[in-house]
Amino acid sequence: EAGVTQFPSHSVIEKGQTVTLRCDPISGHDNLYWYRRVMGKEIKFLLHFVKESKQDESGMPNNRFLAERTGGTYSTLKVQPAELEDSGVYFCASSPLAGTDTQYFGPGTRLTVL
Amino acid sequence: QQQVKQSPQSLIVQKGGISIINCAYENTAFDYFPWYQQFPGKGPALLIAIRPDVSEKKEGRFTISFNKSAKQFSLHIMDSQPGDSATYFCAASKGKGGKLIFGQGTELSVKP
Repeated sequence: EAGVTQFPSHSVIEKGQTVTLRCDPISGHDNLYWYRRVMGKEIKFLLHFVKESKQDESGMPNNRFLAERTGGTYSTLKVQPAELEDSGVYFCASSPLAGTDTQYFGPGTRLTVL
Repeated sequence: QQQVKQSPQSLIVQKGGISIINCAYENTAFDYFPWYQQFPGKGPALLIAIRPDVSEKKEGRFTISFNKSAKQFSLHIMDSQPGDSATYFCAASKGKGGKLIFGQGTELSVKP
């Protein structure tokens, strides 16, 4: 079974540019989460999809961040325009609706904003 | 507001020793407490998890101790091995499918 995949693995952009991160969850997982870790701090929750609907977006820092999950499959997280403080590692996680509570994490996308 | 506090930030243990990482939480509504292990370049992976109806859970060399009244839980790694060197995160969540609230992480280094 393929795990959670994220693309790209690294992205270096300049302040003011736009970046789009993609997450492909484990097949059949209706829960999809985005998290971010900034410079050695704790991993912070950004938002949670159930299928294509946003269940909880309380962690989204501001309106420069836009998350979508078309058709309840893969998800994208767009940052526009990027600021220096957006640098960090963005993780995606997925879990099934029923059964285990385990959230399975992808390898992350390391975003550097210069 | 840090809802889950983790200590220490870093830990060095000799091979064969016991590694202990502690976490404290504030929200008594939390009902799921996982520990994640992360190797460089990889995403966090679930190591072991506990619910507040039990005080201890053991899986191989890894044990979670849970103290509901003190709102604390800890990870014990027995017979620590160099391959255990990684960053460990405690976390907490409430309800089915709830978001994870993470501690700051502990970088564990096990010396041969």
